[in-house]
Amino acid sequence: GDSVTQMEGPVTLSEEAFLTINCTYTATGYPSLFWYVQYPGEGLQLLLKATKADDKGSNKGFEATYRKETTSFHLEKGSVQVSDSAVYFCALSEVGTSGSRLTFGEGTQLTVNP
Amino acid sequence: ETGVTQSPTHLIKTRGQQVTLRCSSQSGHNTVSWYQQALGQGPQFIFQYYREEENGRGNFPPRFSGLQFPNYSSELNVNALELDDSALYLCASSKVSGSGETQYFGPGTRLLVL
Repeated sequence: GDSVTQMEGPVTLSEEAFLTINCTYTATGYPSLFWYVQYPGEGLQLLLKATKADDKGSNKGFEATYRKETTSFHLEKGSVQVSDSAVYFCALSEVGTSGSRLTFGEGTQLTVNP
Repeated sequence: ETGVTQSPTHLIKTRGQQVTLRCSSQSGHNTVSWYQQALGQGPQFIFQYYREEENGRGNFPPRFSGLQFPNYSSELNVNALELDDSALYLCASSKVSGSGETQYFGPGTRLLVL
């Protein structure tokens, strides 16, 4: 079945540091890929998405490129802020299947120190 | 804000009881999905409803059931509660579009089973 593997956390960075959170996936078809962010005590917020190979999703300075050849969707940001501290989830959704469920990774806790 | 609302925000039940959680989807969305997120883990897909019919189910027992109403709002019912049912329950709404549909999450209901 489908699966998502994320880089283990927690990740601790200083403000303005470069961020990479690795995500790889296994899927039988051609999934859409997503990054969601969860702040303490809240639900999930969509951060960015990509629906086909070589697409780049971007939002709020975060970027991720859909790499079919390496089955990866790594999240990057050039300069993190304290307000980026949260848990980040990589997820996939198969297009066209009955019940387009999201399959999530385990999440990566990011802490940014001033 | 996504426009997806859930009630109640918190709930405490005892083992063996039954619980009903509610979700109002974002305007214009016709699909509702439910997820269970245990502490420190990624969300797990419970089931999805489209046009008032179950449209896909994850690996959850039959004591987890749901409904979708004509206005696309939804309920999640859990019978015979177990201690392991303690989790954050997330509802997500989306609009079926045939490609790369995006699910938007509510803030969740935190259930504690004692």
